[in-house]
Amino acid sequence: QVQLVESGGGLVKPGGSLRLSCAASGFTFSDYYMSWIRQAPGKGLEWVSYISSSGGTIYYADSVKGRFTISRDNAKNSLSLQLNSLRAEDTAVYYCARGVAVAKLWGQGTLVTVSS
Amino acid sequence: DIQMTQSPSSLSASVGDRVTITCQASQDISNYLNWYQQKPGKAPKLLIYDASNLETGVPSRFSGSGSGTDFTFTISSLQPEDIATYYCQQYDDLPPTFGQGTKLEIK
Repeated sequence: QVQLVESGGGLVKPGGSLRLSCAASGFTFSDYYMSWIRQAPGKGLEWVSYISSSGGTIYYADSVKGRFTISRDNAKNSLSLQLNSLRAEDTAVYYCARGVAVAKLWGQGTLVTVSS
Repeated sequence: DIQMTQSPSSLSASVGDRVTITCQASQDISNYLNWYQQKPGKAPKLLIYDASNLETGVPSRFSGSGSGTDFTFTISSLQPEDIATYYCQQYDDLPPTFGQGTKLEIK
């Protein structure tokens, strides 16, 4: 069925790294822009990063620029987000979503906790 | 980035009530405005796109209107399952930005 499944979240110390993955199924992954959107505990939604269908266009929020790297593998129907130099304020549920203008399909989210 | 301001931030209403949430953009965004519903512990769900178009499968009690800078989201008759937080989101300019959310509770 049409779905997105995130993995890779967990507890990491400040300054540490983590790699999030999103497995897509049920649709032609290579046709779509893909996004990562996060939500800090009890807070609103923030668009973190997006990547075009070919990977040629990439955006990062200022809050993560230089620390996070988005990538995709269209052959494997997979989206990734490499999180480096993590800070306490990066603690959030990270969602992958299909699209960038209108997010019609979301994953269930994966929790990243940055704490010593 | 375009700033989106929702009001109210929280709302308490009774089953059967008509509920209205507003969203104001910091600049003209035409009709490039979506509304999402998020229930506790779940991912957001798209309800309305392009300001007034109902997403497939979404009950007709949900509706949206507006253009330019001022938008309205309405539930015509509140149901218990509508308890959630609602977010507006613009995509006239990248990056897309969300309002701060409106938490809807049952009175």
